[in-house]
Amino acid sequence: IQLTQSPSSLSASVGDRVTITCRASQAIGSYLAWYQQTPGKAPKLLIFAASTLQGGVSSRFSGSGSGTDFSLTISSLQPEDFATYFCHQLQSYPVTFGQGTRLEIK
Amino acid sequence: QVQLVQSGAEVKKSGASVKVSCKASGYPVINYALHWVRQVPGQGLEWMGWMNIGDGDTKYSENLQGRVAFTWDLSANTVYMELSSLKSEDTAIYYCAREGGSWSPDYMDVWGQGTTVNVSS
Repeated sequence: IQLTQSPSSLSASVGDRVTITCRASQAIGSYLAWYQQTPGKAPKLLIFAASTLQGGVSSRFSGSGSGTDFSLTISSLQPEDFATYFCHQLQSYPVTFGQGTRLEIK
Repeated sequence: QVQLVQSGAEVKKSGASVKVSCKASGYPVINYALHWVRQVPGQGLEWMGWMNIGDGDTKYSENLQGRVAFTWDLSANTVYMELSSLKSEDTAIYYCAREGGSWSPDYMDVWGQGTTVNVSS
């Protein structure tokens, strides 16, 4: 199952609302997770089951979607949110990841 | 505190093997399945495989089938990933990641810090 994220990169300012999309090559129900990765660090789980916020993750992150189309929204960007974001399908093996969306400061 | 601590960076020659360890703390490693994921610096995430120590089951990426193997040492609460017949394109950061949830596959809720493997010819 291929995952295609858009955009591949995005420039935004602190306080902006941004949305990243992830499209699956076939329906995956709600079997999707989102991760955040900052330079030199391991990925960090943000959201699973398409819309469930992982414990300890800020409520400014939200996820939605099902089937083939999903989105991650950050409601009000903070400096620590500038990172790369990956979607991940866990509907079936082999699990796959999107190519990533790099979020940069404008 | 639940965490996964991986072994240090490795430099290997083409054709050699590398074995990366992933030590769990804060929970028994037998209680959760584990994935291995690798990442070429600056690029995306590639799933390598999965292990469930509880029933001894493993799954491997077709791309790596025959070259990768997962093992474990329960007394050390540690799992291992060994990759053989190394090629330059195996140069990457290797991560172990705990599988959360109650079925498989599922999300990866705890990640190791990563182990850099550099393969030179």
